[in-house]
Amino acid sequence: AQTVTQSQPEMSVQEAETVTLSCTYDTSESDYYLFWYKQPPSRQMILVIRQEAYKQQNATENRFSVNFQKAAKSFSLKISDSQLGDAAMYFCAYSDYGQNFVFGPGTRLSVLP
Amino acid sequence: DAGITQSPRHKVTETGTPVTLRCHQTENHRYMYWYRQDPGHGLRLIHYSYGVKDTDKGEVSDGYSVSRSKTEDFLLTLESATSSQTSVYFCAISEGTVSGNTIYFGEGSWLTVV
Repeated sequence: AQTVTQSQPEMSVQEAETVTLSCTYDTSESDYYLFWYKQPPSRQMILVIRQEAYKQQNATENRFSVNFQKAAKSFSLKISDSQLGDAAMYFCAYSDYGQNFVFGPGTRLSVLP
Repeated sequence: DAGITQSPRHKVTETGTPVTLRCHQTENHRYMYWYRQDPGHGLRLIHYSYGVKDTDKGEVSDGYSVSRSKTEDFLLTLESATSSQTSVYFCAISEGTVSGNTIYFGEGSWLTVV
């Protein structure tokens, strides 16, 4: 079975600085998708970024980018120019082509003014 | 906005009573899911559905049942609520497109079993 690990339960960053959240996963599949979701205090789950495993190019969405290392099964999220509104729980997730989604335990990010 | 509505959003119930949570979607997605979220566990899949009357168990299905009689509605029932089922429950849909899968969530239902 696929698993997703986030080894940092909590992290903090100064406003305007850059922070990287780590994620590793385990799968025997060669084609799959990886995601980062943000959950602010409202508890709404918000899609931040998505990566297709067959794509070598790392996905980016404005201040959010990923470092996808397929051989290492690593999928880290970099947040640049951190803002107070970035404070949230961040979940890494994996999906195969069969609509099966697996989530990591989450990393709580605090942004310090 | 994936057009997902959960009800009720908040509920307090007594141990041993049945509880039903409803998920309604407006965009005719085939796949629907129920997850629970607990501290330290992230999101864990309870049940999912891949069509009307087609459902299957997830990793934490004990004590839960589901039904999907219409494409737009996916019901989660706690047959006899226990305190261990106090949690936040999320309904989700997945949007499988030619560019791949993405899962979208409802706003969550807070359930407290006393």
